[in-house]
Amino acid sequence: DIQMTQSPSSLSASVGDRVTITCRASQFVSNYLNWYQQKPGKAPDVLIYAASTLQSGVPSRFSGSGSGTNFTLTISSLQPEDFATYFCQQTYNIPPVTFGQGTRLEVK
Amino acid sequence: QVQLQQWGAGLLKPSETLSLTCAVHGGSFSDYYWTWVRQSPGKGLEWIGETNRGGSTNYNPSLKSRVTISVDTSKNEFSLKLASVTAADAAVYYCASRQYCSVGRCHFSSWGQGTLVTVSS
Repeated sequence: DIQMTQSPSSLSASVGDRVTITCRASQFVSNYLNWYQQKPGKAPDVLIYAASTLQSGVPSRFSGSGSGTNFTLTISSLQPEDFATYFCQQTYNIPPVTFGQGTRLEVK
Repeated sequence: QVQLQQWGAGLLKPSETLSLTCAVHGGSFSDYYWTWVRQSPGKGLEWIGETNRGGSTNYNPSLKSRVTISVDTSKNEFSLKLASVTAADAAVYYCASRQYCSVGRCHFSSWGQGTLVTVSS
């Protein structure tokens, strides 16, 4: 199985901050890397797919980069609605699909 | 836009079989893999497996011996059965959809609302 490791596991930030979350794959995943946002009591929602493609309707302050084994999700200017948990996911090698353990973004 | 609505028993006893169903509304049933994912505090998001319209399946090797995912094309529904549950299977279970993978585009685009499953004697 491909292991996905996110860092940090939690992060405290303020509205307006620039935030970066990283995701490392234990093996090559090309650009089959997706980012999801999850709010309490809700299912995850895709933000970024194919490492850097913004899902329709997602604000442009979200961006993704990387290829191979190292990836980043950046929020350029945090908004109040962005405080949530973020997950990366690889779909390069199925089965199984695997997820990172999540990064909880909290208000400082 | 595909919408998913799921249902099933939320309280099970150890050794019973978990059974959940997900109905697909909108979109083309043929264009997707239909997926189950679970989420528990201790293990985060865990992919259980998937099926497609033709009934082809992929399962997580860690659960493969206990999992059956099936599809009912006449009703646009797909189902999950997990046998011999234990406390370790307690989680929120989600159904989800992903399009056939192409040039990196391979993500879960729609999700069900989630079902909390508790295992207790």
